[in-house]
Amino acid sequence: AQSVTQLDSQVPVFEEAPVELRCNYSSSVSVYLFWYVQYPNQGLQLLLKYLSGSTLVKGINGFEAEFNKSQTSFHLRKPSVHISDTAEYFCAVSSSNDYKLSFGAGTTVTVRA
Amino acid sequence: DTGVSQDPRHKITKRGQNVTFRCDPISEHNRLYWYRQTLGQGPEFLTYFQNEAQLEKSRLLSDRFSAERPKGSFSTLEIQRTEQGDSAMYLCAGGGEGTEAFFGQGTRLTVV
Repeated sequence: AQSVTQLDSQVPVFEEAPVELRCNYSSSVSVYLFWYVQYPNQGLQLLLKYLSGSTLVKGINGFEAEFNKSQTSFHLRKPSVHISDTAEYFCAVSSSNDYKLSFGAGTTVTVRA
Repeated sequence: DTGVSQDPRHKITKRGQNVTFRCDPISEHNRLYWYRQTLGQGPEFLTYFQNEAQLEKSRLLSDRFSAERPKGSFSTLEIQRTEQGDSAMYLCAGGGEGTEAFFGQGTRLTVV
């Protein structure tokens, strides 16, 4: 079984400031890791994913994440946020068997001018 | 556009009524998932199809819930005798050869 813990439920940040969203996971098998973004009343859009290889993963909209196996973490970062980055962000994990996703509870990012 | 469409987008129903939601993925999505998302929470897995075969059901899927994917294309999720606790966003996702799941915009159910 896999589980995901997102350590911050809400992150307020000023426009053009950096942001980091923390995610820890637990699993007894090798996993794939994902970050999704959800805008109000919308479905989920994939930001980036880690499958294997380089531990630094770059995604869309200037986001990147680093996989740390020893700390079982997959933190998401963006060096300079925009107002349009205001949304809910979900970290998720899946196994290679069925790609079924287990999600964290989410982090609400609010970007202020 | 993820290629996954869900209908309806919103549904308000009275407690005790039955409701049915539809999900249409693209033809390349041999895998199809249903998730439920309540307010302030991440999506929770409900069930998974590989083509027309339902391979896994979560314990969250009580006997009032049934899902089908009769021809391995579109899928339906039916809830019988709805309860207020069923109020949630129901998300469908499709997947093909890769690891990524493509989500639809969801159906928001409100049981009054």
